[in-house]
Amino acid sequence: AQTVTQSQPEMSVQEAETVTLSCTYDTSENNYYLFWYKQPPSRQMILVIRQEAYKQQNATENRFSVNFQKAAKSFSLKISDSQLGDTAMYFCAFMKLGGDKIIFGKGTRLHILP
Amino acid sequence: GAGVSQTPSNKVTEKGKYVELRCDPISGHTALYWYRQSLGQGPEFLIYFQGTGAADDSGLPNDRFFAVRPEGSVSTLKIQRTERGDSAVYLCASRPLAGQADSYEQYFGPGTRLTVT
Repeated sequence: AQTVTQSQPEMSVQEAETVTLSCTYDTSENNYYLFWYKQPPSRQMILVIRQEAYKQQNATENRFSVNFQKAAKSFSLKISDSQLGDTAMYFCAFMKLGGDKIIFGKGTRLHILP
Repeated sequence: GAGVSQTPSNKVTEKGKYVELRCDPISGHTALYWYRQSLGQGPEFLIYFQGTGAADDSGLPNDRFFAVRPEGSVSTLKIQRTERGDSAVYLCASRPLAGQADSYEQYFGPGTRLTVT
């Protein structure tokens, strides 16, 4: 069975700073997707970034980038130039390639301070 | 276009009552998922539909939980004899047909917050 672990329950950083959220996972699969989702107080789950395990290049979406270490089963999210609107819960998640259900971590609550 | 919608947004019910939660997926999306998110936790998979049939219901916690999708579009999650431990946010997601662009991505609704008193 797959598991996703987020070891940082809560983090706070000043606006404009860079912050890194950690995530590790466990799987015996070789092909899979990894995701970071953002969940603001509205409860809407928003996909921030995805990484295909077969791609060695780390995914980047504007201010968001990941550090994907497949051998170490590590998948961290870096947010650059953090903004007040980045305040939310962030979930790391796993899905088998061709699979269906998403396995989520417990989340990291991120506060961006003015 | 319109996203995934869920009704009601909030539902308060008494222990032992029956509840129905509704999900309207994005038009044309063939796959539909239900997840449960307890307080302070990440969402947990409940059931997945491909078309009208339940392709995987391994996440349903017990036989008090049931879900249907009779016409391959709208889905209803049904909970019988509700218990206080059922209190959670119930999230629905839909996904396009495999092979279409971005068909890996699940699009989530805003959820229904269920409170059992």
